[in-house]
Amino acid sequence: GENVEQHPSTLSVQEGDSAVIKCTYSDSASNYFPWYKQELGKGPQLIIDIRSNVGEKKDQRIAVTLNKTAKHFSLHITETQPEDSAVYFCAATPPAAGNKLTFGGGTRVLVKP
Amino acid sequence: EAQVTQNPRYLITVTGKKLTVTCSQNMNHEYMSWYRQDPGLGLRQIYYSMNVEVTDKGDVPEGYKVSRKEKRNFPLILESPSPNQTSLYFCASRPGTRNTEAFFGQGTRLTVV
Repeated sequence: GENVEQHPSTLSVQEGDSAVIKCTYSDSASNYFPWYKQELGKGPQLIIDIRSNVGEKKDQRIAVTLNKTAKHFSLHITETQPEDSAVYFCAATPPAAGNKLTFGGGTRVLVKP
Repeated sequence: EAQVTQNPRYLITVTGKKLTVTCSQNMNHEYMSWYRQDPGLGLRQIYYSMNVEVTDKGDVPEGYKVSRKEKRNFPLILESPSPNQTSLYFCASRPGTRNTEAFFGQGTRLTVV
């Protein structure tokens, strides 16, 4: 089955700096890559996603890039703010697994004022 | 408001005492699933359901049961809880089509002593 690895597990940045989280996946057939943000005491919430026919997608301060050849994708947060502090999860969805999301281990991001 | 509702939010129980965590969604989604979240392991799927009366095992189904008698409800049953089932549990729902957003509940923190 699909295996998703996520790095780093923790990330501390100064407010205003950029944060980058990287994920690799094992199943080359995976075609959907969402990113979820989990705030303290809440369930994960989708913040951005990318499909395999697209190399990059941007939404205000967040962007995701996908390298299908290398089987890795990354989340970029620019001009970080304290409210960006949360746990972030990447995920991959191989077609053979139907609707199943396989998640990475998560990255705890702390934005220091 | 579109939401996934889990109950209870917190639960402390003793080994072997049967318990049920309820999950309900109001979005008429066909696909529902249960995850457990453990530090460093991300979100691992326990069971999922493609529609009413259709359920299947995820990656870590041992010790759990589910049922899907109605489209909106997907309870998670622990017949004989053990300490290794101490975890944070999330219910999620998605529309039936692939590559769609998953909506998560607020989570249930379970402690088995």
